[in-house]
Amino acid sequence: SQQGEEDPQALSIQEGENATMNCSYKTSINNLQWYRQNSGRGLVHLILIRSNEREKHSGRLRVTLDTSKKSSSLLITASRAADTASYFCATEETSGSRLTFGEGTQLTVNP
Amino acid sequence: DTGVSQNPRHKITKRGQNVTFRCDPISEHNRLYWYRQTLGQGPEFLTYFQNEAQLEKSRLLSDRFSAERPKGSFSTLEIQRTEQGDSAMYLCASSLGISGNTIYFGEGSWLTVV
Repeated sequence: SQQGEEDPQALSIQEGENATMNCSYKTSINNLQWYRQNSGRGLVHLILIRSNEREKHSGRLRVTLDTSKKSSSLLITASRAADTASYFCATEETSGSRLTFGEGTQLTVNP
Repeated sequence: DTGVSQNPRHKITKRGQNVTFRCDPISEHNRLYWYRQTLGQGPEFLTYFQNEAQLEKSRLLSDRFSAERPKGSFSTLEIQRTEQGDSAMYLCASSLGISGNTIYFGEGSWLTVV
C-alpha cells in the first residue's frame, strides 16, 4: 500500500509560474525524498530532506517538511516547459530501509 | 555511464512464459531494490538486497516471482508463468547501505504480457 499521498493529483500551470505539490504520510520517517519521472522513464532523484530538517533548497526547488503534520511540500519556482513530469514523494520509514512512494502529481507546464 | 543499468528495456511475452530482467547497480552500492510500477501509479516495493542477502520481500512478490543477487553485484528478477496482470514497469534501484543515502533508479524494464 502507498504511504504517501500527493496533492494535487494533477497540476497545470503556465511557464514562469510557481508549482507547489504536497505530500502527506502516515508513519514515523527517517527522511523524505522527492523524485521526478518523465513519461515512460525511470525516476530521477531531486532532493532528500531528513526528519530533523524543516526546509531545504536546491536550485529552483524548495522542500519543506513538517513532521508534526506528517506532510511535505515541493515548490518549483519559475517553472519551465521542461519541468513537465510526474513528481513523487517517497518516505524512508524508521522501521525499515526501503522507500514507500505516493501516487504522484502530474505537472504540466504550458509554454 | 555509471548509473543503474537495466536490461532489457522492453519485453513482450505471451501469457504463461517466463521472463527475466537484469539489473546492474552503481558499483560499490551494496543495497539493491526492485520496484514495480503500473500506469498512473507510484512505484511499489517488491524486494531488496543487502549485498547478496535478500532482506525483505513484499506480499506483492508471489511465488511466481524470484529475485537473486549472486555475489552481491548484479541482480535478476524472474517471473514465471506470466499473467496479464504482471504487465508493468519493473524498476531497479541501488544505494549505499546507510539510512538517508539517496536511492538511484534505473530506466526500468517494461513488461507487456499478451
